[in-house]
Amino acid sequence: GIQVEQSPPDLILQEGANSTLRCNFSDSVNNLQWFHQNPWGQLINLFYIPSGTKQNGRLSATTVATERYSLLYISSSQTTDSGVYFCAVERRDGNKLVFGAGTILRVKS
Amino acid sequence: ETGVTQTPRHLVMGMTNKKSLKCEQHLGHNAMYWYKQSAKKPLELMFVYNFKEQTENNSVPSRFSPECPNSSHLFLHLHTLQPEDSALYLCASSQEIAGARNTGELFFGEGSRLTVL
Repeated sequence: GIQVEQSPPDLILQEGANSTLRCNFSDSVNNLQWFHQNPWGQLINLFYIPSGTKQNGRLSATTVATERYSLLYISSSQTTDSGVYFCAVERRDGNKLVFGAGTILRVKS
Repeated sequence: ETGVTQTPRHLVMGMTNKKSLKCEQHLGHNAMYWYKQSAKKPLELMFVYNFKEQTENNSVPSRFSPECPNSSHLFLHLHTLQPEDSALYLCASSQEIAGARNTGELFFGEGSRLTVL
């Protein structure tokens, strides 16, 4: 099956700092989604981004499908950004999203 | 508020008990999912229902039994579980296009945290 690797596994930031999270995948995909899981377990869909670049407030994401990676940018981080960020991908010939192991982000005030 | 509601939020059960998890989505979606999230493991897809038909059973033991009476409701019936089944069980929904292979944008509930004693 397709492999999804997220880096870094853990990240500690000071409030106000910027960060980049990476998602590498091992096969061609037609679907890529980024999620944030807050400390209480709620998963929120951040981006549906199989290719290209999207922005939503302080967050933006870029997927380069031909090179099999996606990046999530967080600017001016806030303590509420803390949690786990997951990347999930789906192969062109598949119908199942496969999740990465996540990046644990802690933003300190 | 994501439009997907799960109950109960917390559940403790013994290995001989029978219980059910409930999920309801208010988004008008036509597909619903059960995922399992165990400590230090990626989310694992358990079941998928598209247009109320089960289209995926990801090698899940029979002690987990899904039920989808309509496109807005999804249940996970639990019986004779094992302690290793303790996990966060997440329900999600999406809008699928008939015949398309893509999974649509997923909307998750807050999860049901299950502890099996």
